[in-house]
Amino acid sequence: SQQGEEDPQALSIQEGENATMNCSYKTSINNLQWYRQNSGRGLVHLILIRSNEREKHSGRLRVTLDTSKKSSSLLITASRAADTASYFCATDMNTGFQKLVFGTGTRLLVSP
Amino acid sequence: DAGITQSPRHKVTETGTPVTLRCHQTENHRYMYWYRQDPGHGLRLIHYSYGVKDTDKGEVSDGYSVSRSKTEDFLLTLESATSSQTSVYFCAISAIRERNEQYFGPGTRLTVT
Repeated sequence: SQQGEEDPQALSIQEGENATMNCSYKTSINNLQWYRQNSGRGLVHLILIRSNEREKHSGRLRVTLDTSKKSSSLLITASRAADTASYFCATDMNTGFQKLVFGTGTRLLVSP
Repeated sequence: DAGITQSPRHKVTETGTPVTLRCHQTENHRYMYWYRQDPGHGLRLIHYSYGVKDTDKGEVSDGYSVSRSKTEDFLLTLESATSSQTSVYFCAISAIRERNEQYFGPGTRLTVT
């Protein structure tokens, strides 16, 4: 079963707009990560937020984490056409094994 | 793709034949992973390795085996391929236990006819 579920499944916006994607998970975590996947390529790590952090920034990316609600959001500000991709959250459940559980992803389309 | 290569990149095979996919890294990272990606399922972990000759099962390991005889190579074998194993397979690596950021290879598209 999926630990992380992204919402929405698909998002279509214009260049310059902000894009917000949400991720919900079921069990306690060590950290939560966001990845991007361009069509036909492997995933690329974007940002990691630890369970004791509430917000993190990296360039145009802002990630929040609410452990009480078991949810996270990824905000991309001032979107560009090059941001068109699928975005996945992944949770490290700190089970003692070095592995992540990925959600099903949000497909983002940014139109010029 | 962070010093990770996968071979082959594309393969078409027939049901019942054995298939081996190779992942090679030049980063000397300890942890290696095999995932499959299917529409509607995201990425699902097949097997992973935490060192040479140290491997364990993931979420969807049935029908797959792995081997890691060297730090840089992680092999995924489908003993007898089935149509349900048609998928895109990704290898990933990570170095640090506490952070577990993973770096992915370019993927192998496998079609079982």
